[in-house]
Amino acid sequence: SQQGEEDPQALSIQEGENATMNCSYKTSINNLQWYRQNSGRGLVHLILIRSNEREKHSGRLRVTLDTSKKSSSLLITASRAADTASYFCATDAKAGGSYIPTFGRGTSLIVHP
Amino acid sequence: SQTIHQWPATLVQPVGSPLSLECTVEGTSNPNLYWYRQAAGRGLQLLFYSVGIGQISSEVPQNLSASRPQDRQFILSSKKLLLSDSGFYLCAWSVSGVGTVILRYTFGSGTRLTVV
Repeated sequence: SQQGEEDPQALSIQEGENATMNCSYKTSINNLQWYRQNSGRGLVHLILIRSNEREKHSGRLRVTLDTSKKSSSLLITASRAADTASYFCATDAKAGGSYIPTFGRGTSLIVHP
Repeated sequence: SQTIHQWPATLVQPVGSPLSLECTVEGTSNPNLYWYRQAAGRGLQLLFYSVGIGQISSEVPQNLSASRPQDRQFILSSKKLLLSDSGFYLCAWSVSGVGTVILRYTFGSGTRLTVV
């Protein structure tokens, strides 16, 4: 089963608006990461938040983490048409001596110019 | 600098034909390597991962296999492709922090495989 689940599955907004995506997970984590994927391309790492952190900023990105609720949110402020992409959260599940990455199904964001 | 190369970018293969997708990493040693498959509009399904040469772990039993003949080379193969093998295949590598915690995954640009 999926460790991370994003919602909404799809989000359509106007340029300049804020976009908020959420991610829920099931087991304890060391960190949680957000990735972006343009259509037909590989995923690009956006930001990592550690389990002992509650909020992190990077440019127009703001990530929060609530380990008590096993959830995270990604906020993109002042969105641009170029932000149109799918966004995934990823967590690690320990398997033996290794950490296995698990990605959610993603949120498809469309920003209309 | 660290880079990852994945090829080919697109591939159309007939049912029953073999498959070989290659992924190489530069600028790092002993990376963790991963193969993912992504169906259209869906999330990523982890197929195989490798923590070292010759060490392959399979997450999902299926018509595919993986090999790691060199430290920075990861190959995804099939002897006979099925229609259901169509999808977008992504290779990735990771770096680990203290206690083997993964800090980030770096993805290749992907291979669009269409089995006809």
